[in-house]
Amino acid sequence: ELKVEQNPLFLSMQEGKNYTIYCNYSTTSDRLYWYRQDPGKSLESLFVLLSNGAVKQEGRLMASLDTKARLSTLHITAAVHDLSATYFCAVDIAAYGGTSYGKLTFGQGTILTVHP
Amino acid sequence: NAGVTQTPKFRVLKTGQSMTLLCAQDMNHEYMYWYRQDPGMGLRLIHYSVGEGTTAKGEVPDGYNVSRLKKQNFLLGLESAAPSQTSVYFCASNLRDSRKYNQPQHFGDGTRLSIL
Repeated sequence: ELKVEQNPLFLSMQEGKNYTIYCNYSTTSDRLYWYRQDPGKSLESLFVLLSNGAVKQEGRLMASLDTKARLSTLHITAAVHDLSATYFCAVDIAAYGGTSYGKLTFGQGTILTVHP
Repeated sequence: NAGVTQTPKFRVLKTGQSMTLLCAQDMNHEYMYWYRQDPGMGLRLIHYSVGEGTTAKGEVPDGYNVSRLKKQNFLLGLESAAPSQTSVYFCASNLRDSRKYNQPQHFGDGTRLSIL
């Protein structure tokens, strides 16, 4: 059974600070997704990470994937209030090109609050 | 361009009542999914469909039924609602070739369901 664990589950940051959210998963997989969810809203795709060593950046967010360590990180640089949201990582169950039908296993989510 | 539309957005039921949640997508996607979101548990897959007329069980299927009579619609049914089914339900869809095109799942806005 695939398990996906995020750390920390709650993160309170000051504006301008840096921090990292970690996503560990228990079974070999070749792709990982990061989503953002604002309160009461839907999930918005942030990053699709496809291979070992993949790194993607969008604004103040940078995501990386280490498939050997089964670890992905979401790094926040110089946080601003607008980044306050819940962040989820999700793993595609298929391993290395196998058929998964796109099913995802999600982490618990990290609730990020950025204070002035 | 509506994307994924869920109906209704809110609903309150009494224990034992039945209801159907509707998900409609206008992107001609083959794959569709139903998830439930509970605090501290991320999203969990209930059922999914890989094409018209097909359905399959996900991680937490008990107490739910689904149907995919038309490619654009995926219905989630609760035959006899229980308080444990109080949750936020999300529908998502994706291409059959999502892995080839590196496409993430597209989510609806959610249905907030309370069972009293």
